[in-house]
Amino acid sequence: EPEVTQTPSHQVTQMGQEVILRCVPISNHLYFYWYRQILGQKVEFLVSFYNNEISEKSEIFDDQFSVERPDGSNFTLKIRSTKLEDSAMYFCASSESTSGQYTGELFFGEGSRLTVL
Amino acid sequence: AQRVTQPEKLLSVFKGAPVELKCNYSYSGSPELFWYVQYSRQRLQLLLRHISRESIKGFTADLNKGETSFHLKKPFAQEEDSAMYYCALHLEYGNKLVFGAGTILRVKS
Repeated sequence: EPEVTQTPSHQVTQMGQEVILRCVPISNHLYFYWYRQILGQKVEFLVSFYNNEISEKSEIFDDQFSVERPDGSNFTLKIRSTKLEDSAMYFCASSESTSGQYTGELFFGEGSRLTVL
Repeated sequence: AQRVTQPEKLLSVFKGAPVELKCNYSYSGSPELFWYVQYSRQRLQLLLRHISRESIKGFTADLNKGETSFHLKKPFAQEEDSAMYYCALHLEYGNKLVFGAGTILRVKS
């Protein structure tokens, strides 16, 4: 069964460094997402991506963050100038549209744990 | 503003006991609600959605618009039900899910 895959599973970085988290969504999916979960807190929406552009972003997703779909398979989250509070688990997800209607089911990757020191 | 509330961080029950995980929502649009589950060392996955009105692994959830609730229920808990459960609200605008804080269900033998 196809799955969303994420790399790396864990990344440790120094404050101020740039980080790129990579995701390979399920191949026939149309919508892609990044969510974040700080330890002990809820899963928070960051951004959604459709038709090669951002369709929605949260207040968290400021100029420090960017997303890209550099080729037909990868979907990346770039975090510039990382801060201590960026330490979290970052989840990629994708979903499909059937019959032109959004079904609501998101398929999640296993997450990338980012630790900023 | 849209919000999903799961009041219990942890629910601990004995095997065979009934389970009810509470979820309340706040949304001005037409609500579409889901339960996602995360078993130990596994990814977050869909458990059930209110529009399909199905029972999955013995779990059911009914959308109550009057009480703005979508509680998850199971008559007889099993040890393998132990996991983190998230209630989520789909927002039409932006095609995204808003998650509750999650409830850890622990089923003791």
